[in-house]
Amino acid sequence: QKEVEQNSGPLSVPEGAIASLNCTYSDRGSQSFFWYRQYSGKSPELIMSIYSNGDKEDGRFTAQLNKASQYVSLLIRDSQPSDSATYLCAVKTGGFKTIFGAGTRLFVKA
Amino acid sequence: DGGITQSPKYLFRKEGQNVTLSCEQNLNHDAMYWYRQDPGQGLRLIYYSQIVNDFQKGDIAEGYSVSREKKESFPLTVTSAQKNPTAFYLCASSWAGGADEQFFGPGTRLTVL
Repeated sequence: QKEVEQNSGPLSVPEGAIASLNCTYSDRGSQSFFWYRQYSGKSPELIMSIYSNGDKEDGRFTAQLNKASQYVSLLIRDSQPSDSATYLCAVKTGGFKTIFGAGTRLFVKA
Repeated sequence: DGGITQSPKYLFRKEGQNVTLSCEQNLNHDAMYWYRQDPGQGLRLIYYSQIVNDFQKGDIAEGYSVSREKKESFPLTVTSAQKNPTAFYLCASSWAGGADEQFFGPGTRLTVL
């Protein structure tokens, strides 16, 4: 079992729809969770951090964390073509290391 | 402007050559990291450093070396012992301890000729 798992996609949604990206992790001691956006050929850009169970909203983005289910998700409301990118889930484990998932490719159709 | 810089943006290496990738940050972060990214894969940790003059191997350190003589600099050398070095190399930094949000530089794309 991979430590951080994401569906590779591509996830295709129409413009204006809600995109839902999911991530599961294996280390129950994990405390910090991050979502990064990576455009093709570019480096990852941090868009959301979440540390406690529940929802955290920032503009069109909402991160959701459920530690009991070892599940973290990212919702993008009113999706725009500019949101088309690969979204990386990252989890800081009980030790020092941050583990990155392989990413989910999102395609927003105009 | 605060940020992380990496150079060069593109690098070509001949077989048997050692090459050094530069990473500099002016965010006053304590910790710095080197990752490798291959197509369709997540980021894999090569080396990390939490303080000056100290660094630790990550998951794929073989064929790589680093130094941390200054807080703001963390260069990575890809040696001839690394048999498949073609990849996108990313440097990141963070505050040591705590939440550890990592911020990335623009990356260096290394190609072996």
